[in-house]
Amino acid sequence: DTGVSQDPRHKITKRGQNVTFRCDPISEHNRLYWYRQTLGQGPEFLTYFQNEAQLEKSRLLSDRFSAERPKGSFSTLEIQRTEQGDSAMYLCASSPLQGPQETQYFGPGTRLLVL
Amino acid sequence: AQKVTQAQTEISVVEKEDVTLDCVYETRDTTYYLFWYKQPPSGELVFLIRRNSFDEQNEISGRYSWNFQKSTSSFNFTITASQVVDSAVYFCALSESGNTPLVFGKGTRLSVIA
Repeated sequence: DTGVSQDPRHKITKRGQNVTFRCDPISEHNRLYWYRQTLGQGPEFLTYFQNEAQLEKSRLLSDRFSAERPKGSFSTLEIQRTEQGDSAMYLCASSPLQGPQETQYFGPGTRLLVL
Repeated sequence: AQKVTQAQTEISVVEKEDVTLDCVYETRDTTYYLFWYKQPPSGELVFLIRRNSFDEQNEISGRYSWNFQKSTSSFNFTITASQVVDSAVYFCALSESGNTPLVFGKGTRLSVIA
């Protein structure tokens, strides 16, 4: 049973460029979450999906951020016109919808550096 | 609003010492879940334990134990006979259920020195 995977693991970009990250959840996990973690802080919730439906977006998710999960499997998180303040680790997690294993399992993260 | 406080920013212990990581939470929900995750230097968050608000039984798993007390809104984590491999950042988190967004504390960085 493979875990959550994220691609790329590292991304360096220049301010103003667009970037896209991909997350592949654990197979058959209905829910998929995106979090952002800055240095010395705990992860902060950005958005989450149940299958292809986006259930909630945090106020942290500005208009420059968009997330999709078109077929209810993998998800993408795009940041347009990146700013230096977007530099962070972007974490993806997945969980089953219900049952005794209702727990979020995290991927290795994508570390973004905006120059 | 939900909030998790981990007052200890950094702890340093010598190998084989016992160490307790504190977690205090705030919520208005009557039903909620508490979690501990470990984040080693590699960066990936590793799930350690989930506890729901109805179950105040303490839990032990090998060298790890957890003490949940609703009366003080605390969910503390103890590592017995610490090892160098325990060195990591540990996060306490809270959610309405196991599959709703997590609210994390700021984490406690544990350094175990040989």
